[in-house]
Amino acid sequence: AQSVTQPDIHITVSEGASLELRCNYSYGATPYLFWYVQSPGQGLQLLLKYFSGDTLVQGIKGFEAEFKRSQSSFNLRKPSVHWSDAAEYFCAIRDDKIIFGKGTRLHILP
Amino acid sequence: DAGVTQSPTHLIKTRGQHVTLRCSPISGHKSVSWYQQVLGQGPQFIFQYYEKEERGRGNFPDRFSARQFPNYSSELNVNALLLGDSALYLCASSFNTYEQYFGPGTRLTVT
Repeated sequence: AQSVTQPDIHITVSEGASLELRCNYSYGATPYLFWYVQSPGQGLQLLLKYFSGDTLVQGIKGFEAEFKRSQSSFNLRKPSVHWSDAAEYFCAIRDDKIIFGKGTRLHILP
Repeated sequence: DAGVTQSPTHLIKTRGQHVTLRCSPISGHKSVSWYQQVLGQGPQFIFQYYEKEERGRGNFPDRFSARQFPNYSSELNVNALLLGDSALYLCASSFNTYEQYFGPGTRLTVT
């Protein structure tokens, strides 16, 4: 069955430091992959998506993600985090429906 | 352009009652999906509608039902509420069922 795994429940980084959030998926074909961000009590905002083509995908708010088929991964990165990036991040895969990971909560130290 | 809107924002119901949640998609979007997000978890797929027809259903009991109207807005209905139905209910709209845009959600509390 298709699935998405986000191994890190919580991550803490200092403001200005780089960030990488991990996502692994299980899917038989080339997946449609997404990263969403959710601020407390809010809905989800689409950061970026991968459907095909260039494996390095640029998104909003300075985020990027790299699709690695050999590792079944789609990790999210940002070179320098801001305090406003503190939120919960969800990786998702699209089959006949969208399947979300359990999320990674990002904490930012001042 | 207005985003996805949902109403109400918050709702408190008693066990055994019925609830109706509403969603208006982004203009031009013909697909609406519903998700349940329990505290501390990722959203779980409930239903997807496209052009007023059900296109997918998640692993939820028959107490959950939905419909889509000619103007593409949608309702999610839950009967015989249980404490475990307490969650954030998210609606998402899309033009082609792939790239989905989410509303702010309805927070349902069942007491």
